[in-house]
Amino acid sequence: EAGVAQSPRYKIIEKRQSVAFWCNPISGHATLYWYQQILGQGPKLLIQFQNNGVVDDSQLPKDRFSAERLKGVDSTLKIQPAKLEDSAVYLCASSLAGEAFFGQGTRLTVV
Amino acid sequence: AQSVTQPDIHITVSEGASLELRCNYSYGATPYLFWYVQSPGQGLQLLLKYFSGDTLVQGIKGFEAEFKRSQSSFNLRKPSVHWSDAAEYFCAVGDTGFQKLVFGTGTRLLVSP
Repeated sequence: EAGVAQSPRYKIIEKRQSVAFWCNPISGHATLYWYQQILGQGPKLLIQFQNNGVVDDSQLPKDRFSAERLKGVDSTLKIQPAKLEDSAVYLCASSLAGEAFFGQGTRLTVV
Repeated sequence: AQSVTQPDIHITVSEGASLELRCNYSYGATPYLFWYVQSPGQGLQLLLKYFSGDTLVQGIKGFEAEFKRSQSSFNLRKPSVHWSDAAEYFCAVGDTGFQKLVFGTGTRLLVSP
């Protein structure tokens, strides 16, 4: 079965620019997560979707981050405007029955 | 809300020696528990999981973990470490409702010759 697909793999932007990441979860997985992993730290949950709806976005900086999940399948995460401290790997995961599968992530560098 | 503590930031083990990585969790009900491994530049790969039943769970690559409710722990073990096991290891706890998954800060495993 195909895994979780993310694009792009790498992105370099200047501060105050905007950026978007895309995630295609495993087919049939109702739950989708976006995590932020800063270098040397564990993944931090930004937002969790259950089908189309948001289950948890308590740690999403809503003044600059937004996310949507179209028709309960693909998802995009956007940052606008980006700050230096947003440099991190953004991981998408999907799950079925509690077991999460991760994509390879998008490494964002803000300069 | 659930939380995870991995008290060891780095651990160095000689190749062929045994390994134990510690994980303590906080959650009010019976948790779902996971160990993931992350190699440099890679995503997270699931090593093993505990949902219910036998408290000693076997995973891939020769790893096992034991759930101890009384100690709120889920330590990862391997009897003989290989150089290819050098990586970052993350413990995670999930709830039984909407499956919110929370990670620890990770333990970096170094394997010496």
